[in-house]
Amino acid sequence: SSELTQPPSVSVSPGQTASITCSGDKLGDKFACWYQQKPGQSPVLVIYQDNKRPSGIPERFSGSNSGNTATLTISGTQAMDEADYYCQAWDTSTALFGTGTKVTVL
Amino acid sequence: QVQLQESGPGLVKPSETLSLTCTVSGGSISSYYWSWIRQPPGKGLEWIGYIYYSGSTNYNPSLKSRATISVDTSKNQFSLKVTSVTAADTAVFYCARTQMYSYDSSGYPHWYFDLWGRGTLVTVSS
Repeated sequence: SSELTQPPSVSVSPGQTASITCSGDKLGDKFACWYQQKPGQSPVLVIYQDNKRPSGIPERFSGSNSGNTATLTISGTQAMDEADYYCQAWDTSTALFGTGTKVTVL
Repeated sequence: QVQLQESGPGLVKPSETLSLTCTVSGGSISSYYWSWIRQPPGKGLEWIGYIYYSGSTNYNPSLKSRATISVDTSKNQFSLKVTSVTAADTAVFYCARTQMYSYDSSGYPHWYFDLWGRGTLVTVSS
């Protein structure tokens, strides 16, 4: 089935690295995007085409995609990175979003 | 600076039609794709469909043909209608600019949603 599965939550200490996975059938054959959504706000694109950052997105955000798993990595995590993160890919002509991961910066 | 603003009734009765409009300001609606995306309270994102400024559309099959997206280039607006709504359609509805950035190894195009409206909550209740 066409689903993208993420862990419900990830906890990270300030300054450490957070990794969020997104699993889907042959996801590595597609491109993955990642969106950050803070409470009460609209989603913001942070990664597209697996590992490209839009203008204005900090370098600490990076991505990779291989096999059945795409990964968003936040290096040197800051308190402002606490948010929900959604992966997204296209299954032929249908956009799919992942189940979402809440990142908590402890 | 391009901005998107959703508008429409915040309350719709079950079995009726939900209608929303997205107004694009600070730029032209032409030459872009535009999507509707919804998010039930406390849940994840679901793409509804997109429209090109020329009028061509593509929808998520999950809505089983209940959704229709249209565009009015003279008003720099695009709209969404969802028929036969139920409580399960209660959600924050976002409009988003949709840009194609590449083709994958199978030749399928890929888009990202690079600009979003602030969202509008639509509640389905009698």
